[in-house]
Amino acid sequence: SAVISQKPSRDICQRGTSLTIQCQVDSQVTMMFWYRQQPGQSLTLIATANQGSEATYESGFVIDKFPISRPNLTFSTLTVSNMSPEDSSIYLCSVGTGDRYGYTFGSGTRLTVV
Amino acid sequence: GENVEQHPSTLSVQEGDSAVIKCTYSDSASNYFPWYKQELGKRPQLIIDIRSNVGEKKDQRIAVTLNKTAKHFSLHITETQPEDSAVYFCAASRFDQFYFGTGTSLTVIP
Repeated sequence: SAVISQKPSRDICQRGTSLTIQCQVDSQVTMMFWYRQQPGQSLTLIATANQGSEATYESGFVIDKFPISRPNLTFSTLTVSNMSPEDSSIYLCSVGTGDRYGYTFGSGTRLTVV
Repeated sequence: GENVEQHPSTLSVQEGDSAVIKCTYSDSASNYFPWYKQELGKRPQLIIDIRSNVGEKKDQRIAVTLNKTAKHFSLHITETQPEDSAVYFCAASRFDQFYFGTGTSLTVIP
């Protein structure tokens, strides 16, 4: 399965600022996704990062708040914009190779907004 | 969209006993059902999966069953060990997008 490098691993940010999270994969992958996991909760899909086009967002998530880039098949970024304490969460990227096996997760970014 | 429900939310078993976690899904188009194990502070790890054309799959002490008609699938862990203690998530996938259940916190008591 693919090896994912996600950074930063954690950050403490002031409200009103933005944080960009990076996800680098060691091989080309078809699918890249961004999830949020609030403390003690399940994983919620934020969006699908599409290479060469705009991301596809799930209900409740919008591009202005969570802009996503995917410039190539090995890299993606998620920005959490104009942060508030409610954005405190773990953000994870996930990748798939299109064969429906080996969907793996990055190590996560633990974000605390103060 | 897809709605995945998972039960129970917490489960305690004695070491050596079996543990069963159940999930239901709403979208009949879902055709891939993975299970993830997440240890405290770590990323979710895929432990077993099943596709909609298969009714049961087993990997050593772990097995998953799928009932497409009833739209439910279950994780079975036999001969549980303390290292099985973790949060387990089921998921249902369609069009390569995963929708996760709410998680089951499993504690195996030595």
